[in-house]
Amino acid sequence: DVKVTQSSRYLVKRTGEKVFLECVQDMDHENMFWYRQDPGLGLRLIYFSYDVKMKEKGDIPEGYSVSREKKERFSLILESASTNQTSMYLCASSQLVRYNEQFFGPGTRLTVL
Amino acid sequence: KNEVEQSPQNLTAQEGEFITINCSYSVGISALHWLQQHPGGGIVSLFMLSSGKKKHGRLIATINIQEKHSSLHITASHPRDSAVYICAAGGADGLTFGKGTHLIIQP
Repeated sequence: DVKVTQSSRYLVKRTGEKVFLECVQDMDHENMFWYRQDPGLGLRLIYFSYDVKMKEKGDIPEGYSVSREKKERFSLILESASTNQTSMYLCASSQLVRYNEQFFGPGTRLTVL
Repeated sequence: KNEVEQSPQNLTAQEGEFITINCSYSVGISALHWLQQHPGGGIVSLFMLSSGKKKHGRLIATINIQEKHSSLHITASHPRDSAVYICAAGGADGLTFGKGTHLIIQP
């Protein structure tokens, strides 16, 4: 059974803290994605990675960075968390072409106080 | 950039009713996806299609490439079908998501 896991389901952090969200997939997929999901806005792409150490900015990269040191792991970093980064964060992975089926993790609900 | 519109935004129906959710997109695509998200967040892929029609159990997805339109149908709806249904247009830049349709099926 294919699996994408995320390090936390719920996370509470304070303004200014550095936050790490981890995502691991066991399907040997080339592509990995980080999205945030907000009510009324749908899923928005933060960053995309198509290979180890390769990354592309998505639609809303400001305030975020990413790291992909191993094929199975894709990390999202909030360098200095702010209250407007309170959201649901979803990781996904897919094989080969970018329009292929994506497999999603369970999500991390991050609250920044 | 592709614009993806879904309708309706919210839909409440009685158990057993036939349900239709619509999706339109603005730019030609390589694939159209339908996804389901239950309360609690997990998203699962229901269909990926590039032409015609696909069926899985009580779910049917259709696409009209010329009209840039897709529909998701649920036959004999059941309360366990209550979820958010999301369509996504897939192209060279990846997936562009609609805002979702919140479906509630009442017993």
